[in-house]
Amino acid sequence: EAGVAQSPRYKIIEKRQSVAFWCNPISGHATLYWYQQILGQGPKLLIQFQNNGVVDDSQLPKDRFSAERLKGVDSTLKIQPAKLEDSAVYLCASSSAGGNTIYFGEGSWLTVV
Amino acid sequence: QKEVEQNSGPLSVPEGAIASLNCTYSDRVSQSFFWYRQYSGKSPELIMSIYSNGDKEDGRFTAQLNKASQYVSLLIRDSQPSDSATYLCAVNNDYKLSFGAGTTVTVRA
Repeated sequence: EAGVAQSPRYKIIEKRQSVAFWCNPISGHATLYWYQQILGQGPKLLIQFQNNGVVDDSQLPKDRFSAERLKGVDSTLKIQPAKLEDSAVYLCASSSAGGNTIYFGEGSWLTVV
Repeated sequence: QKEVEQNSGPLSVPEGAIASLNCTYSDRVSQSFFWYRQYSGKSPELIMSIYSNGDKEDGRFTAQLNKASQYVSLLIRDSQPSDSATYLCAVNNDYKLSFGAGTTVTVRA
C-alpha cells in the first residue's frame, strides 16, 4: 500500500515570497491533516479536512496560509507571503474516516531566508 | 497549560537498560493515546497505541495508561542504539491529534 506522498521535499525561499506544498493521502483515507513542526517542537495541527470539507483550521494563520482539498483527495497548502518564522517541516497525514491511526508523509522542509 | 506535556529530556540510557518516558494531558475526555517515534530528519512513525487503563505490551515496548491521573508512559526494555530517537506522545480528542514536544532518547553503546 502506498503511503502519504508529499512534494516538494525541500524548499528554500526568501521572506515575502510564496510557496505551495502538495499532498496525496493514502488511497481511501477520508481525513487529511496538515501539521507544522518547528525544530525541537512537536507537530502542530494547521488544518484538518474530512473529504473536501474543513473540520478544524483554528490554528491556521489565515492571513498568510491557505489550504484546499479539491475532490476530497489531493491537498495543497500555500504560504503567501512567507515569514522567517514559517521555517519548519510541513507534515501531511491521513487517516480513514473514524480511524484513530494517523499516517504521516515524509514532510516538506521549508527554509525562509 | 499545554494540552500534552512530556518530560523534557534528553534522556541518555546505556544499551540494554530500560528507558522510561512520561506524558500528561489536560483534557479528561481524551480516549486515545499514541506514542510516535521520530528519527532525526524523518517523519513521525506510530509505535504504540493505547485506549484503556493498564499496560499494553508490544515487543520491547510497554505503554501504560492511567486516565484518572491523566498520565501515559512508554517503557523501552533492553534499549538498543537503534532506539535513539525523539518520542512523541499524542492524544486524540474528537479525531484531532495533539502532540507533546517530544523526549529525545540516546542509547549509549
